[in-house]
Amino acid sequence: GQQLNQSPQSMFIQEGEDVSMNCTSSSIFNTWLWYKQDPGEGPVLLIALYKAGELTSNGRLTAQFGITRKDSFLNISASIPSDVGIYFCAGPSYAGGTSYGKLTFGQGTILTVHP
Amino acid sequence: NAGVTQTPKFQVLKTGQSMTLQCAQDMNHEYMSWYRQDPGMGLRLIHYSVGAGITDQGEVPNGYNVSRSTTEDFPLRLLSAAPSQTSVYFCASTPLWSAGGYTFGSGTRLTVV
Repeated sequence: GQQLNQSPQSMFIQEGEDVSMNCTSSSIFNTWLWYKQDPGEGPVLLIALYKAGELTSNGRLTAQFGITRKDSFLNISASIPSDVGIYFCAGPSYAGGTSYGKLTFGQGTILTVHP
Repeated sequence: NAGVTQTPKFQVLKTGQSMTLQCAQDMNHEYMSWYRQDPGMGLRLIHYSVGAGITDQGEVPNGYNVSRSTTEDFPLRLLSAAPSQTSVYFCASTPLWSAGGYTFGSGTRLTVV
């Protein structure tokens, strides 16, 4: 089946630093999604990318859809303590009659921000 | 709106016991699914449903059953709990047109001893 490899697995940074993480796939995705999971909660969608080469921002977050459609990147600028959590990339694929029926998730990047 | 509601939040089972994890959504979403989260493995799809009366298997369906009698509810049944089913379980829903914008519940942490 499809697999997403996410790196790094964990990051320990100082408040104010920028963060970069990426996700690669062995197969093509037509959509890339980035989720954040706070401790004890379910994942929440941060950014969705729908076109190869697309660069999308959401506040201090910027994500890019790789031109090969096999990778995606997420950057967080000027990190703050509330950025702590687990960040997941995900790619939807066909299931149940819709192109977005099944999400394949990366392993996650655990982000720790020291004040 | 409450969104996606999961109960219970925590559960401890003995090996061989059965139980049902409840999931309800009030957004009239057609699509609902169950994922399990294990350390270092992301979330893996167990079962999904595209509407009342229609369910299908995901990546890791063994040991789990689902049914969808209404649009709102999608319970997950563990038939005979095993230690390998110790995990955090998430229910999620989305409209069919949403292009992947799932809403997740807050999870059920299950321990099987």
